[in-house]
Amino acid sequence: AQSVTQLDSQVPVFEEAPVELRCNYSSSVSVYLFWYVQYPNQGLQLLLKYLSGSTLVKGINGFEAEFNKSQTSFHLRKPSVHISDTAEYFCAVSGYAGNKLVFGAGTILRVKS
Amino acid sequence: GAVVSQHPSWVICKSGTSVKIECRSLDFQATTMFWYRQFPKQSLMLMATSNEGSKATYEQGVEKDKFLINHASLTLSTLTVTSAHPEDSSFYICSGAGGPHEQYFGPGTRLTVT
Repeated sequence: AQSVTQLDSQVPVFEEAPVELRCNYSSSVSVYLFWYVQYPNQGLQLLLKYLSGSTLVKGINGFEAEFNKSQTSFHLRKPSVHISDTAEYFCAVSGYAGNKLVFGAGTILRVKS
Repeated sequence: GAVVSQHPSWVICKSGTSVKIECRSLDFQATTMFWYRQFPKQSLMLMATSNEGSKATYEQGVEKDKFLINHASLTLSTLTVTSAHPEDSSFYICSGAGGPHEQYFGPGTRLTVT
């Protein structure tokens, strides 16, 4: 079985500052890792995913994440945030190609001017 | 990207009645669709996986007779909450699988049972 822990329920940050949203997972099998963003009144949108290969994954909107197998982490980072990045971010894990996802509780990113 | 719609976006029903939620993939064919439930300030919990033309697979603890799922075509899946009660009030989200590790989510349906 897999599980995901997002360590911060809310992260406030000033505009143009860097941000890191933390995600740890547990799994007894090889994992595929995802970050999704949910804007108010919209569906989840895929930011990036790690399936294999390079552990540094680049996604949309300037976000990137690094897969760290030894620390079982997949933290999301952005060097400079914008007001428009204010949203809820979900980390998720899948253990096989069947697309079944296990989600973390979500982290609300609040970007302040 | 691929688009998934849900209808209605918000529904209020009386206790004991049934309500149907539709999930449509608008520009792709989804052999597999997923239904999730999200409580306030909590994560999305997978309820069931539906494959076109076959019975849905429910997660442990989800009552299949209460949450009826039908996936009659490659672009439409429905979730019917039967004999709804206040504890069924929640945010229901569907997604369609566009391929391996590709899942496209609908905007969700908020159900309030009074």
